[in-house]
Amino acid sequence: AQKVTQAQTEISVVEKEDVTLDCVYETRDTTYYLFWYKQPPSGELVFLIRRNSFDEQNEISGRYSWNFQKSTSSFNFTITASQVVDSAVYFCALSEAVTGRRALTFGSGTRLQVQP
Amino acid sequence: DTGVSQDPRHKITKRGQNVTFRCDPISEHNRLYWYRQTLGQGPEFLTYFQNEAQLEKSRLLSDRFSAERPKGSFSTLEIQRTEQGDSAMYLCASSSYSDEISYEQYFGPGTRLTVT
Repeated sequence: AQKVTQAQTEISVVEKEDVTLDCVYETRDTTYYLFWYKQPPSGELVFLIRRNSFDEQNEISGRYSWNFQKSTSSFNFTITASQVVDSAVYFCALSEAVTGRRALTFGSGTRLQVQP
Repeated sequence: DTGVSQDPRHKITKRGQNVTFRCDPISEHNRLYWYRQTLGQGPEFLTYFQNEAQLEKSRLLSDRFSAERPKGSFSTLEIQRTEQGDSAMYLCASSSYSDEISYEQYFGPGTRLTVT
């Protein structure tokens, strides 16, 4: 069975602060995918990133960066110099990569509030 | 193509009534997924299609729920004899899958169901 845990229910920061959202996962699969999605107040889930389990390189995209550590089963997401527009609920998700099913198992989300 | 669309966006119904939701995926996507999201939780997988074939149904999908994708394009999700516990956001996502390679799931805006 797969499980994703996002222990931080809600985080509040002031604009321009850096913030890290934690994600810990459990799976018996040796090959899997990890994802982050953003859900702004409008409600639509927006895809941010997908990582393969065999690729542990960290990734940076603008103000966003992701730290994947297989040894600790974590896939953390950092926003540098946060902005008010980053306010949203962020979901970490996991899918298997062997059977082709690809259904996503989501964590419960972290609500990020960026204050001006 | 403007992405995944869902109709209606909101539905209020009385307990015991039947409701049907529609999802139009991104046109070139052969995979279509349905998820359910309750307040404060991450989305939970319900079922998915590859073209017109329904490949899996979650145990969350009771006998009152049925989904179809008759021509491998749009999909419908019907709930019969609605119960208050069915109140949730119903999300549709689509993706492209071929040769065991799949790509990100792109989500629609969701249909928010309220059962009174």
